[in-house]
Amino acid sequence: AIRMTQSPSSFSASTGDRVTITCRASQGISSYLAWYQQKPGKAPKLLIYAASTLQSGVPSRFSGSGSGTDFTLTISCLQSEDFATYYCQQYYSYPPWTFGQGTKVEIK
Amino acid sequence: EVQLVESGGGLVQPGGSLRLSCAASGFTFSSYEMNWVRQAPGKGLEWVSYISSSGSTIYYADSVKGRFTISRDNAKNSLYLQMNSLRAEDTAVYYCARDSFSITMVRGILDYWGQGTLVTVSS
Repeated sequence: AIRMTQSPSSFSASTGDRVTITCRASQGISSYLAWYQQKPGKAPKLLIYAASTLQSGVPSRFSGSGSGTDFTLTISCLQSEDFATYYCQQYYSYPPWTFGQGTKVEIK
Repeated sequence: EVQLVESGGGLVQPGGSLRLSCAASGFTFSSYEMNWVRQAPGKGLEWVSYISSSGSTIYYADSVKGRFTISRDNAKNSLYLQMNSLRAEDTAVYYCARDSFSITMVRGILDYWGQGTLVTVSS
């Protein structure tokens, strides 16, 4: 199975900050990568797929980049509603589809 | 509006069984592939099982293979997960999630999720 590793596992940031989360795959996955946002007690929500395609309705302050093994999720101007846990997921090779361990963005 | 509503979770003893259901509405259920994903308390997401739109293709995570059975009833717009021989490590919130294959033509992008149902395996 392809292993997905996110960094950092958590960090603190302030509203208005530009933040970047990194995801690394244990082998090349082309651009077959998705990002999800999960708030406490809620279901995950799809933000980005194909590494950089924004899901309908997702604010443009979210962006994704990368291909092969290294990917990033960037929030250009952090809003209060963006404090959450973010997961990357590969869908290049299956089964299994695999997720990163998550990155928690907390309020500084 | 797409809605996925899970039910059937609860407290069960180790070795016991439980059947989860996911009621779908707001889309043509029979055209979509579906998945179960779980999340242990305080942990990350783990894909559990996949079923094709017709039910002819099924996959399982190694951690549940031989114990869990995924199925669907397209006439009832429902997805199921029969869980047998439950273990403490199966304790988690179980989500049903729609696969966007019918839209993106790529399998594995989960575009809608239910609110989840909690399964607790404990004596």
